[in-house]
Amino acid sequence: NAGVTQTPKFQVLKTGQSMTLQCAQDMNHNSMYWYRQDPGMGLRLIYYSASEGTTDKGEVPNGYNVSRLNKREFSLRLESAAPSQTSVYFCASSGQAQKYFGPGTRLTVT
Amino acid sequence: GENVEQHPSTLSVQEGDSAVIKCTYSDSASNYFPWYKQELGKGPQLIIDIRSNVGEKKDQRIAVTLNKTAKHFSLHITETQPEDSAVYFCAASNGNFGNEKLTFGTGTRLTIIP
Repeated sequence: NAGVTQTPKFQVLKTGQSMTLQCAQDMNHNSMYWYRQDPGMGLRLIYYSASEGTTDKGEVPNGYNVSRLNKREFSLRLESAAPSQTSVYFCASSGQAQKYFGPGTRLTVT
Repeated sequence: GENVEQHPSTLSVQEGDSAVIKCTYSDSASNYFPWYKQELGKGPQLIIDIRSNVGEKKDQRIAVTLNKTAKHFSLHITETQPEDSAVYFCAASNGNFGNEKLTFGTGTRLTIIP
């Protein structure tokens, strides 16, 4: 079991560029999540998907879109990156028990 | 919405001593309180959690206590070891088990001094 995997690990974007962060889990979990982590602010929920085919906004959804491609995969898209989106992004999944987090993607927008 | 405050932001303890991290929450409907450990360059990992129907839970050197009346919960680590050095996050939510929309505290950087 690989658990939760994320690609890429690091990314540098220029303001206005777009990119998609990929996340996959092999634990057959229904729920998947995207968080961002900023210094001194803990983790904040961007979007989540309670099951395949459904997505809902979290605490900080502006500037992001998501796709729950299938039960395994949940992607996060930045259509027009802004410096305020510089952060570490974590994907997570959960079934009937605890949340499992991926290793994170460190994104810098210049 | 829920607001979770966590203290202290940094904590240094001698190896073998105990460490205590405290969190308060605002939403009286919250019923699930997990604690996560995050090592450098990795994602958070659940170390212990507690539901609102119990007041204390232990797992070897780690324990969590919950005071629903005061709306605060604490993480206790006894006999600390160098590998306990990490950032610890508390969280709170009101939801179905496994599908919680967690609100996180701002983290505590714990350093164990050999």
